[in-house]
Amino acid sequence: KAGVTQTPRYLIKTRGQQVTLSCSPISGHRSVSWYQQTPGQGLQFLFEYFSETQRNKGNFPGRFSGRQFSNSRSEMNVSTLELGDSALYLCATRRGGSAGANVLTFGAGSRLTVL
Amino acid sequence: AQKVTQAQTEISVVEKEDVTLDCVYETRDTTYYLFWYKQPPSGELVFLIRRNSFDEQNEISGRYSWNFQKSTSSFNFTITASQVVDSAVYFCALSEAGTGNQFYFGTGTSLTVIP
Repeated sequence: KAGVTQTPRYLIKTRGQQVTLSCSPISGHRSVSWYQQTPGQGLQFLFEYFSETQRNKGNFPGRFSGRQFSNSRSEMNVSTLELGDSALYLCATRRGGSAGANVLTFGAGSRLTVL
Repeated sequence: AQKVTQAQTEISVVEKEDVTLDCVYETRDTTYYLFWYKQPPSGELVFLIRRNSFDEQNEISGRYSWNFQKSTSSFNFTITASQVVDSAVYFCALSEAGTGNQFYFGTGTSLTVIP
């Protein structure tokens, strides 16, 4: 069973550019969540998508956006990059039913460096 | 307010020692779920255990054990006879039915096991 696939794994951008990250969930998982991980802030929730709709949203500026496709794959976009956006971006998926017991399965992450 | 607090930022133990990682949570929901995840240096968070709010039965699984106490809102995790491979960052997380099953993560505890 394939795991959660995130691409690209590493990328370097400069301030002002934009970036798009991709996440392919485990087969059957319809919920995709995105997290930003930095040394000082830990895991910060960005947003969650389920059936192509944003279900929950964290406290991030509008430069951070996402979407989900009909095959449950998700992308997140960060526009007008700032130095502080340098982080590990983690995608986590789950079946997405009403049960809070659904376990999140994480991808290996996309490490973004902004110069 | 932090929903999940992991007061221990870093812990170092010598191999074969026992170590307990603390987690305190805050919720008004009667239905919620608690999780522990492990993040080794490779970066991918790995699910360890889940408990629901109606199941206070503690469990031992090999060298791992968990102590869930609703009275003190704590969900602690113990590794007995620690090994170098246990070195990782450990995250405690809460999922509440009342907030759409959004996950709230603690800031993590970095465990170093010294050979």
